[in-house]
Amino acid sequence: GAVVSQHPSWVICKSGTSVKIECRSLDFQATTMFWYRQFPKQSLMLMATSNEGSKATYEQGVEKDKFLINHASLTLSTLTVTSAHPEDSSFYICSAHGHRGLYIQYFGAGTRLSVL
Amino acid sequence: GQNIDQPTEMTATEGAIVQINCTYQTSGFNGLFWYQQHAGEAPTFLSYNVLDGLEEKGRFSSFLSRSKGYSYLLLKELQMKDSASYLCAVSGAYSGAGSYQLTFGKGTKLSVIP
Repeated sequence: GAVVSQHPSWVICKSGTSVKIECRSLDFQATTMFWYRQFPKQSLMLMATSNEGSKATYEQGVEKDKFLINHASLTLSTLTVTSAHPEDSSFYICSAHGHRGLYIQYFGAGTRLSVL
Repeated sequence: GQNIDQPTEMTATEGAIVQINCTYQTSGFNGLFWYQQHAGEAPTFLSYNVLDGLEEKGRFSSFLSRSKGYSYLLLKELQMKDSASYLCAVSGAYSGAGSYQLTFGKGTKLSVIP
């Protein structure tokens, strides 16, 4: 299957700092990337969808000024959590789609963010 | 709106067969996915159904009935490594560039015991 690399896998930061998470498609061109957040024992919740070269589309309730998404190339998308607070602590997962007609999303390994 | 239901937890014995059910009510439908997720890891793709019927892939099979809004994942010859959460996801809203958003259920945590 397709490979999606996400890093860092774990980050601990102080409240008020910003954290950048990278998501790369290694063996295919990702026309669309998705960012999810997952709290313990909860479902994956879609935060935003980004198509290469255009602005991200955010889900209702997700602050676009807090969660900055950049998808400048067909193989890289970044999520920056700005001015992180303890309530932002969660498991963030990216996925990429690049195979027309198959609709399959391939997931990165996830980033566990802990804000102190 | 989107609503996807699946049991929270299930336990089965090594070597046995287990069926994980999923019911859904969504405003759009472009297929149903099953993913496996081990604790602390990202989901991995298992199966995709867009037409009614059974799709078989090795020890795993997935069934879909669109008229009933129902799917199940069937795992045969259970192994200890199959202990994981199994996520049912429906592909619905168009995201652009030929892709569709996924809405996930909360997942079913399967424990395989000796």
